[in-house]
Amino acid sequence: DTEVTQTPKHLVMGMTNKKSLKCEQHMGHRAMYWYKQKAKKPPELMFVYSYEKLSINESVPSRFSPECPNSSLLNLHLHALQPEDSALYLCASSPGLAGGPRNNEQFFGPGTRLTVL
Amino acid sequence: SQQGEEDPQALSIQEGENATMNCSYKTSINNLQWYRQNSGRGLVHLILIRSNEREKHSGRLRVTLDTSKKSSSLLITASRAADTASYFCATDPYISNFGNEKLTFGTGTRLTIIP
Repeated sequence: DTEVTQTPKHLVMGMTNKKSLKCEQHMGHRAMYWYKQKAKKPPELMFVYSYEKLSINESVPSRFSPECPNSSLLNLHLHALQPEDSALYLCASSPGLAGGPRNNEQFFGPGTRLTVL
Repeated sequence: SQQGEEDPQALSIQEGENATMNCSYKTSINNLQWYRQNSGRGLVHLILIRSNEREKHSGRLRVTLDTSKKSSSLLITASRAADTASYFCATDPYISNFGNEKLTFGTGTRLTIIP
């Protein structure tokens, strides 16, 4: 299985809602990522989990809360979002630093299109 | 600031022609990668070239890397309508010999193939 899956595909939420985005991979990868992408822009890194520990937080507001329950799953909990948080949220995975000499190509899921009203 | 800047920002060519896009970066790197993104979808990894490599091929793709100029190019030969997408370079900055999980994406080139 060489796929990264993300649910839901689309999400519309109000500014007072709490919701979660889910990501799953079964490639045995030990690094997992959350990116935010606005239209016609490159992906912006939000968080990196390495071996189930949060290794990078790119100064993301606390209304975004990541969670890595196990090596295959990655969640992004959303609370009190703002309309400017509307974007495509991408999950990715890579083998991890033990995967070989700088073998850090990333495998992306299809994304969740988030709209905040 | 963006590690990678790509040019052109947009490129339209006729089907069957070759497409070339360029990426420039600012710091030393372990490797440079190219990704494709179809509209509103996830990115797909195309090719990885290491800092000690100068050229790499994969099917209709040819990537070059010039570390002295801190630049890379992606050539797609005999383009097809299905190649219409955005293309991003991504650099793995050299921090240590242990590699780096954080990639920095370039600004992207939007490629349109006209049938």
